[in-house]
Amino acid sequence: QVQVVESGGGVVQPGGSLRLSCAASGFTLRNYNMHWVRQAPGKGLEWVAFVEQAGSEKYYADSVKGRFTISRDNSKNTVYLQMNSLRGEDTAVYYCARDYVYSFDYWGRGTLVTVSS
Amino acid sequence: QTVVTQEPSFSVSPGGTVTLTCGLSSGSVSSSYYPSWFQQTPGQAPRTLIYRTNSRSSGVPDRFSGSILGNKAALTITGAQADDESDYYCMMYMGSGIWVFGTGTKVTVL
Repeated sequence: QVQVVESGGGVVQPGGSLRLSCAASGFTLRNYNMHWVRQAPGKGLEWVAFVEQAGSEKYYADSVKGRFTISRDNSKNTVYLQMNSLRGEDTAVYYCARDYVYSFDYWGRGTLVTVSS
Repeated sequence: QTVVTQEPSFSVSPGGTVTLTCGLSSGSVSSSYYPSWFQQTPGQAPRTLIYRTNSRSSGVPDRFSGSILGNKAALTITGAQADDESDYYCMMYMGSGIWVFGTGTKVTVL
């Protein structure tokens, strides 16, 4: 069955870095575009980043542009989100989602990132 | 930057019908924005209900339907059930590789 599983969350100090991973199974990752979406505690959903199938096209929300980098390794069935210069407002549950017709069809359960000193 | 707006909350009686809407701070919603709808209960990951305006995701009951109503996207729940009590988010594809979620609507069934 199709699954995406996020990992790599944790507590990090402001200004620090963290790399999230999204492990895909049950489907051929190289055939799908992928996204990261986040949700701050008690807040709504926010789209974060997109990477197309081969990894050459990438797009970001303005709130993370220049600080976050999305990438993928199709040979390892994994999508990544490198987060640098982290701020308190980046504290959130980060979800990985598979793209389907400009939307998402499968979501992971999320991984919590807490930015705090 | 364009804001995607939703009603903050709605209440519906069991068995009743409710229509949530999703608009733009400037301009009208059309199918070219590929509006989607998601359901989320507290502590859970979102679940995709509707994509491409009115296509139901796999396993979604047919009491959920999507449409364009006037200048907004709409999600209608017909015959609401207790477990439909959730937060509902819309999302638009703005073009140029940018997606924007709506502000979310909390639906209470009572």
